[in-house]
Amino acid sequence: GQNIDQPTEMTATEGAIVQINCTYQTSGFNGLFWYQQHAGEAPTFLSYNVLDGLEEKGRFSSFLSRSKGYSYLLLKELQMKDSASYLCAVRDGNTNAGKSTFGDGTTLTVKP
Amino acid sequence: DTGVSQDPRHKITKRGQNVTFRCDPISEHNRLYWYRQTLGQGPEFLTYFQNEAQLEKSRLLSDRFSAERPKGSFSTLEIQRTEQGDSAMYLCASSLGLGKETQYFGPGTRLLVL
Repeated sequence: GQNIDQPTEMTATEGAIVQINCTYQTSGFNGLFWYQQHAGEAPTFLSYNVLDGLEEKGRFSSFLSRSKGYSYLLLKELQMKDSASYLCAVRDGNTNAGKSTFGDGTTLTVKP
Repeated sequence: DTGVSQDPRHKITKRGQNVTFRCDPISEHNRLYWYRQTLGQGPEFLTYFQNEAQLEKSRLLSDRFSAERPKGSFSTLEIQRTEQGDSAMYLCASSLGLGKETQYFGPGTRLLVL
């Protein structure tokens, strides 16, 4: 099985940098996803890490340490539209399914 | 627009009624997933298809739930004898497979059981 932990809520200021952490304990691991979900909408893909290290994509970066069971999502130059829930999801390594187990999400509020 | 569509977007039903939802994945995607999401929680896996074959079903899924993907394209999720606890957002996602496992989500069907 999978156990994924994220902070429930975070608040940050427009223009600032915020780091959202995710820790996981899994029986298998085959990659970690980050998704963004605005209220009432479907999740949208942000990043996928399968190897250790930092993946940068514009204002968003994602880091993975498999030995520590740890990932973070870094958001730079925060904008009001970044207010959303950020979901960490671990891909099951025990099958070929690609099935992912999701955390409960971190609700980020960006204030002016 | 991710290309995954779901119908209907909203459904209100009375307890005990049956409901059916449809998902049309991105056309070349082999894998299709159904999730359920309630307020304040992440999506919870329900079931998964590789083409037309249903390969995995969550132990949380009772016998009242059934899903099909008859031709390996669109999928339906049926809930029989709905209960108030079934009220949730039902999300469909698809992925290409073959090592490309990023899941693209549809807009969801929001179910309210009265």
